[in-house]
Amino acid sequence: DTAVSQTPKYLVTQMGNDKSIKCEQNLGHDTMYWYKQDSKKFLKIMFSYNNKELIINETVPNRFSPKSPDKAHLNLHINSLELGDSAVYFCASSQQGAGYGYTFGSGTRLTVV
Amino acid sequence: TQLLEQSPQFLSIQEGENLTVYCNSSSVFSSLQWYRQEPGEGPVLLVTVVTGGEVKKLKRLTFQFGDARKDSSLHITAAQPGDTGLYLCAGATSGTYKYIFGTGTRLKVLA
Repeated sequence: DTAVSQTPKYLVTQMGNDKSIKCEQNLGHDTMYWYKQDSKKFLKIMFSYNNKELIINETVPNRFSPKSPDKAHLNLHINSLELGDSAVYFCASSQQGAGYGYTFGSGTRLTVV
Repeated sequence: TQLLEQSPQFLSIQEGENLTVYCNSSSVFSSLQWYRQEPGEGPVLLVTVVTGGEVKKLKRLTFQFGDARKDSSLHITAAQPGDTGLYLCAGATSGTYKYIFGTGTRLKVLA
């Protein structure tokens, strides 16, 4: 049983397209996150939801829109994709905020051509 | 901007050697975690340290939280090729939902 699963694993698309990445966790965690990992492997928070409520929205272009239909799901929709959006996107979840660490999905490698 | 600086950035060693990775900040953290990330996978939580001066051991890995809770170290004894990966420290300062990751240390252990 995968604790945090995200799909797809790989996504290759053309500039200007719209795409979505899905994430589901079966851990019963209250908080879910989207992170972007750049080519230097630095992980940067994009969004955080606690019980379906947005609590963190970093300086991310509004082409990126998260949606949380319930506390077990947090999807990421990206409009008008740009070359600079190419990166690995990770979904994660945690219980009781961040103090006890996160469980990560295996990542979605997005390549915009 | 809060930063967690890790050193060294890259480390390539022979099997059997010992190593230490450092994680430093000017901020005080309520807790700090260490993760290992392998290629094509997400980071996997190794340990959480909470109390200043705390030491935790996980087989050949020893984690220490600084007395002032501003820094941490990870020591690996007799490194093995299976230890190869990206090591990340991360933490949240008290009273914030903001959780930041360190700059990462890429370790390669050669057989």
